[in-house]
Amino acid sequence: SQQGEEDPQALSIQEGENATMNCSYKTSINNLQWYRQNSGRGLVHLILIRSNEREKHSGRLRVTLDTSKKSSSLLITASRAADTASYFCVSDSWGKLQFGAGTQVVVTP
Amino acid sequence: EAGVAQSPRYKIIEKRQSVAFWCNPISGHATLYWYQQILGQGPKLLIQFQNNGVVDDSQLPKDRFSAERLKGVDSTLKIQPAKLEDSAVYLCASSLARNTGELFFGEGSRLTVL
Repeated sequence: SQQGEEDPQALSIQEGENATMNCSYKTSINNLQWYRQNSGRGLVHLILIRSNEREKHSGRLRVTLDTSKKSSSLLITASRAADTASYFCVSDSWGKLQFGAGTQVVVTP
Repeated sequence: EAGVAQSPRYKIIEKRQSVAFWCNPISGHATLYWYQQILGQGPKLLIQFQNNGVVDDSQLPKDRFSAERLKGVDSTLKIQPAKLEDSAVYLCASSLARNTGELFFGEGSRLTVL
């Protein structure tokens, strides 16, 4: 069963806009990760945030984590057409990983 | 550094036939995962190996699926006999060890069962 749930399921934006997606999980975690999957390809790791961190940045990515609400958000700033992909959050409970269903993001030029 | 290698990339079989997928993880990665990803869904863990031992196979349909990781390096996932609902992409991933975070994924093997 999927532990995480992403919201929204799909997101359509224009280039230059920001994209925000949320993730909820059910059990205690030691870290939470976000992955990107381009159509027909494997998943690529984007960013990892540990349970004792509240916010983390990597380039145009900003991740927040609220362990009290068991939720995380991923913000992509100044989106590009190349950001078109599915984004998955993965909760890591000390080696037990659970993927959400993903948010499909479409960025139009 | 070479990535995770998987083969074949595509496979079409009829139901009740068998199929095998191969994965070669990144050199030195002790943990290897097989995931099943049905179209429109997130990956679902089938089996996790730590070296050549099984850590978690709780979601592996053991009546038809089997996997091995002899010598703790490459791995094979087999389905016999295949059902229509097995149509999916089978993803292999590896990591340095459990609890070390980042997974490295292969491109996947897309299975179509007719």
